[in-house]
Amino acid sequence: NAGVTQTPKFQVLKTGQSMTLQCAQDMNHEYMSWYRQDPGMGLRLIHYSVGAGITDQGEVPNGYNVSRSTTEDFPLRLLSAAPSQTSVYFCASSYRSSGQGISPLHFGNGTRLTVT
Amino acid sequence: GEDVEQSLFLSVREGDSSVINCTYTDSSSTYLYWYKQEPGAGLQLLTYIFSNMDMKQDQRLTVLLNKKDKHLSLRIADTQTGDSAIYFCAEKGWNTGNQFYFGTGTSLTVIP
Repeated sequence: NAGVTQTPKFQVLKTGQSMTLQCAQDMNHEYMSWYRQDPGMGLRLIHYSVGAGITDQGEVPNGYNVSRSTTEDFPLRLLSAAPSQTSVYFCASSYRSSGQGISPLHFGNGTRLTVT
Repeated sequence: GEDVEQSLFLSVREGDSSVINCTYTDSSSTYLYWYKQEPGAGLQLLTYIFSNMDMKQDQRLTVLLNKKDKHLSLRIADTQTGDSAIYFCAEKGWNTGNQFYFGTGTSLTVIP
């Protein structure tokens, strides 16, 4: 049981390049989300999905696209990278809980992205 | 989004108790969480508390919740060097559509 797996661990892009950050979970969790972590700002929600075929925007969605064609995978696409997107990106998943609504989040180990 | 505030840094001596504080604004908060992040790793759930509780204890960890003041704290007893990490407070409530809102994180340094 691998949990939440993110690839790559590190990536350097030039301004204007595009790339996809991969996220996969093997826990059959319905809910998946992407956060970015910046110094002094905590974690901010980019996009989330409550199930296959359903996605929605979080707090900071501009410049990012997502899709959810399967329960397991939730890739994050940067269409035209900008230096402001230099950050550490975390994917997280959780399941529906009768008591809590959504269970606590399970996190991947992150992708450290630098845009020059 | 909702505001969740934490101080950025805390230093303690090994063996002392650490207290990490958090304030939040969402009056509809249902669950409040503490996560730990070690260097180069993702966030790991430490503990959580339901909003109708005022205290929860789990081995060396004690969570205190003052719902009136919207103040949450995490006490780590007998702090060890392995406790050095960033600690995040997070809250989730009905007003936020079950979204999680995280604080800025408190970097705990344990001095041997």
